[in-house]
Amino acid sequence: DAKTTQPTSMDCAEGRAANLPCNHSTISGNEYVYWYRQIHSQGPQYIIHGLKNNETNEMASLIITEDRKSSTLILPHATLRDTAVYYCIALTSYGKLTFGQGTILTVHP
Amino acid sequence: DSGVTQTPKHLITATGQRVTLRCSPRSGDLSVYWYQQSLDQGLQFLIQYYNGEERAKGNILERFSAQQFPDLHSELNLSSLELGDSALYFCASRAWGSFYGYTFGSGTRLTVV
Repeated sequence: DAKTTQPTSMDCAEGRAANLPCNHSTISGNEYVYWYRQIHSQGPQYIIHGLKNNETNEMASLIITEDRKSSTLILPHATLRDTAVYYCIALTSYGKLTFGQGTILTVHP
Repeated sequence: DSGVTQTPKHLITATGQRVTLRCSPRSGDLSVYWYQQSLDQGLQFLIQYYNGEERAKGNILERFSAQQFPDLHSELNLSSLELGDSALYFCASRAWGSFYGYTFGSGTRLTVV
């Protein structure tokens, strides 16, 4: 599975959009971009995934560049409960989920 | 409730002992994955089972073993426990080929004293 690179930490004000970047320059054509988050000591939670089109669900939006070498997870109106570690993972549909260090997102009042 | 059930939630035991962690996957999911998360390490993949058969192994110690039973629940056995085995242990399940990723349980916190 392709390696992903994320910033170690980010801050965001409550109510504002949180934009979390991820680089995956070696992603292959059959690898999806998945985003998970882990709120302190809880089990990781699936957020969203995409292949090449932008995706939106009730939690977030995922913007994938046309060359698929990077993506951005957008939390449109961050709340304090969105404070968590966010993981960007490149994964085939039959692949094994492997976590990196992720981005620690802190949402401030 | 994610649908993946892990028991017990907390476990405190002494060095040298043996414990069993249990995981019931989401209804219909045939794949079960075990992960370890200790304070100084991220989430480490341990082992995967699919419909009772071992499919992939990660950084699992020889003192650790797992199995998946016909009813699809899985058990992770940890023996000759050391202080460094203290960690959160997560189980996840997935429908084979599912595009919606893994569903994780709430974990078992193991403390070895």
